[in-house]
Amino acid sequence: KAGVTQTPRYLIKTRGQQVTLSCSPISGHRSVSWYQQTPGQGLQFLFEYFSETQRNKGNFPGRFSGRQFSNSRSEMNVSTLELGDSALYLCASSSLAGGINEQYFGPGTRLTVT
Amino acid sequence: GENVGLHLPTLSVQEGDNSIINCAYSNSASDYFIWYKQESGKGPQFIIDIRSNMDKRQGQRVTVLLNKTVKHLSLQIAATQPGDSAVYFCAENYGNQFYFGTGTSLTVIP
Repeated sequence: KAGVTQTPRYLIKTRGQQVTLSCSPISGHRSVSWYQQTPGQGLQFLFEYFSETQRNKGNFPGRFSGRQFSNSRSEMNVSTLELGDSALYLCASSSLAGGINEQYFGPGTRLTVT
Repeated sequence: GENVGLHLPTLSVQEGDNSIINCAYSNSASDYFIWYKQESGKGPQFIIDIRSNMDKRQGQRVTVLLNKTVKHLSLQIAATQPGDSAVYFCAENYGNQFYFGTGTSLTVIP
């Protein structure tokens, strides 16, 4: 079956703008988690959605938000972009809530903020 | 080992040799650990996990060793192949949250 897909793959934005990233999980998976990956900090957990409800949240400012739709597709939004938001944003899906050991990652969206 | 600097630690090994990648984790209360492999342009891929009540776990060509005394985790890859070239990083779980290392870049020389 098809893997996790993320769109767009690459994005360039300027400071102050907002951005919306999209993630389509593996068919049948109801959990979608979002991560930010930077060379200096590694992978950092943003939030997890399960059945349209935010189940868990990492330590990111309120500028980072997300949602999940009834078909399990998820979007994350970053408002008022800062240079430090430049990163690879990864989403991962699993069939179970909190099922990190069976998460499947997408290829990520590379966001560059100028 | 892993660090939070701007440059990843690197490891180069000859094809067919064994590789050992290290990870120093931060919290003695961590009870679950995962090793990931991330190839260029792709998302991380789960390799193997281990719980804190174990000190060794083996998979196919991979072995994870856990030393809780010094908070150290290692990943051993047997008979390293060119397809093993990737960034490897560990994750630790405590307080119902996962914390990830920055990784080690493994290059396999044919």
